[in-house]
Amino acid sequence: NAGVMQNPRHLVRRRGQEARLRCSPMKGHSHVYWYRQLPEEGLKFMVYLQKENIIDESGMPKERFSAEFPKEGPSILRIQQVVRGDSAAYFCASSPRDRAMLDTEAFFGQGTRLTVV
Amino acid sequence: DAKTTQPPSMDCAEGRAANLPCNHSTISGNEYVYWYRQIHSQGPQYIIHGLKNNETNEMASLIITEDRKSSTLILPHATLRDTAVYYCIVRVRGETSGSRLTFGEGTQLTVNP
Repeated sequence: NAGVMQNPRHLVRRRGQEARLRCSPMKGHSHVYWYRQLPEEGLKFMVYLQKENIIDESGMPKERFSAEFPKEGPSILRIQQVVRGDSAAYFCASSPRDRAMLDTEAFFGQGTRLTVV
Repeated sequence: DAKTTQPPSMDCAEGRAANLPCNHSTISGNEYVYWYRQIHSQGPQYIIHGLKNNETNEMASLIITEDRKSSTLILPHATLRDTAVYYCIVRVRGETSGSRLTFGEGTQLTVNP
């Protein structure tokens, strides 16, 4: 797990502000997945990205949420005009190739805990 | 992906084997059984996976019934650090749509001293 770096670990935002969550995949990994875990719930898939491409965003809310994974730099999950219901833990995972199941070839980061006040 | 059913919670004494059941009666022939765990406030951790044969690694053993409708994750000698939520997931391996996983509610395993 230590190989996937997420920052910040904790983020506090006031309602209406923007939240930017960053995920640096493991070295050599070109596929990134974002998951959200609401309080007392299981993880829910949000989006799957490869470098410069969004492959599957079926789990992303239709408004205010966006994700990118540029050619250089970390993947960014952006939440505009945050509301209290966005308070959750956001996890990123990475894998080296698209056909790799999330097993030994993919790893999760420690997450970013977003609190909206 | 097939739906799974797990007990919400289980207890186990430290040093004893922890046997975590999972029902997946609608599993398809090409779906694998995966187990992950999430220790409090950490990211999920892969444990083991299998198709139809029993599997063992340094962390656990996976026993899949012959009809593949259920499986059991076995932690042979549970320690306090094994206290976590354990997720059983079934899905097709290597889908080109991406390796996203569908996490259910899982089983909260508490290992007691």
